[in-house]
Amino acid sequence: TQLLEQSPQFLSIQEGENLTVYCNSSSVFSSLQWYRQEPGEGPVLLVTVVTGGEVKKLKRLTFQFGDARKDSSLHITAAQPGDTGLYLCAGAPTDSWGKLQFGAGTQVVVTP
Amino acid sequence: NAGVMQNPRHLVRRRGQEARLRCSPMKGHSHVYWYRQLPEEGLKFMVYLQKENIIDESGMPKERFSAEFPKEGPSILRIQQVVRGDSAAYFCASIGGGAATNQPQHFGDGTRLSIL
Repeated sequence: TQLLEQSPQFLSIQEGENLTVYCNSSSVFSSLQWYRQEPGEGPVLLVTVVTGGEVKKLKRLTFQFGDARKDSSLHITAAQPGDTGLYLCAGAPTDSWGKLQFGAGTQVVVTP
Repeated sequence: NAGVMQNPRHLVRRRGQEARLRCSPMKGHSHVYWYRQLPEEGLKFMVYLQKENIIDESGMPKERFSAEFPKEGPSILRIQQVVRGDSAAYFCASIGGGAATNQPQHFGDGTRLSIL
């Protein structure tokens, strides 16, 4: 059972457009991490959010953690072809020794 | 993914053989997690280890799978008598000390295990 629901599963946009990926759960998480994974490689950490309501920015990427710490979103402004990849959210439930529960991922394709 | 080193990157085994996967954490990290990514599925937690201790193995299959993280050397995930269903990408991630639930986990590039 996938406890973290990611949507959409696939997103294809033109260069310069904006996009948002959502990560939702009925569970509360101590922290939530966003990763990007390329084929044949491991997930690369983008950001960790810990506090409910927290917003973090990484250049054109904006990450938000819901007030109740059950959901999160990733927003990319003016997407570029280099943003193409599989985006994963992963939450660490409370009292879980940090073991992450992963969403199924959102495949983002940005065409020139 | 500089820092967390996994080897081999690719491993081919025949049914019934043993597979040994190695993970060296980032320098200074003493906690390791193993995850498995089956084809067309997300990553699933397997086991969490500190040096010389298994902390949480709730995601490990009860039979044929074992893990260790000795005082010296890499963490080892061992799969005995492999079957076709063990074909997957196996990733490890490491963290430093402190509250594990808030620590960012840094992943290696994984070992792709193929069972013939």
